[in-house]
Amino acid sequence: QLQLQESGPGLVKPSETLSLTCTVSGGSISGFFWSWIRQAPGKGLEWIGYIYYSGSTSYSPSFKSRVTMSVETSKNQFSLRLSSVTAADTAVYYCARLHCSRTSCYDTFWGQGALVIVSS
Amino acid sequence: QSALTQPPSVSGSPGQSVTISCTGTTSDVGTYNRVSWYQQPPGTAPKLIIYEVSNRPSGVPDRFSGSKSGNTASLTISGLQPEDEADYYCSLYTTSSTVVFGGGTNLTVL
Repeated sequence: QLQLQESGPGLVKPSETLSLTCTVSGGSISGFFWSWIRQAPGKGLEWIGYIYYSGSTSYSPSFKSRVTMSVETSKNQFSLRLSSVTAADTAVYYCARLHCSRTSCYDTFWGQGALVIVSS
Repeated sequence: QSALTQPPSVSGSPGQSVTISCTGTTSDVGTYNRVSWYQQPPGTAPKLIIYEVSNRPSGVPDRFSGSKSGNTASLTISGLQPEDEADYYCSLYTTSSTVVFGGGTNLTVL
């Protein structure tokens, strides 16, 4: 059974860079798209972007200037970096596998989420 | 960037049916079958329950169904059960190869 696990610092200072890694187990990272989604406390889901195993990306316009995603196939991991964070970036960050058919894409497997708090 | 509009909350009694709407525009929801639905019980990660408007992944009960009329996609839950109490989100894969989520709907089972 595919499992995804987010990891990274739970506390980041304002203006610094948030870094998270998602480790995929029970399946290969190759051949698939991988997403990052976040959810601020008490708020809805917010799509950040996705990365293909080959490294091509698609980012939300809301994050495009601050986000970088990367993939390391040898470790079965992909990562998120979000720069210049503020308190508004405090959220639970989810990684997920994005399944793309001929017509659409949707997230089929989700990690449990990692809470990142931005505070000095 | 497309926007999807959902009602903030809906409620129903056990055994009843409820429908949650997700409204987009003629050029996105109205044209393409790219809407999916996610269920998020309190304190847990979201789970895919409907993809491409009306398809259910394996393991999702057939009490959950999806449909679309014009610019509005809908999720219907029939035979409501207490464990259906959760937040529900619609999502759209856009023509720009991005994803947008609706604001979410909180379902209360009375």
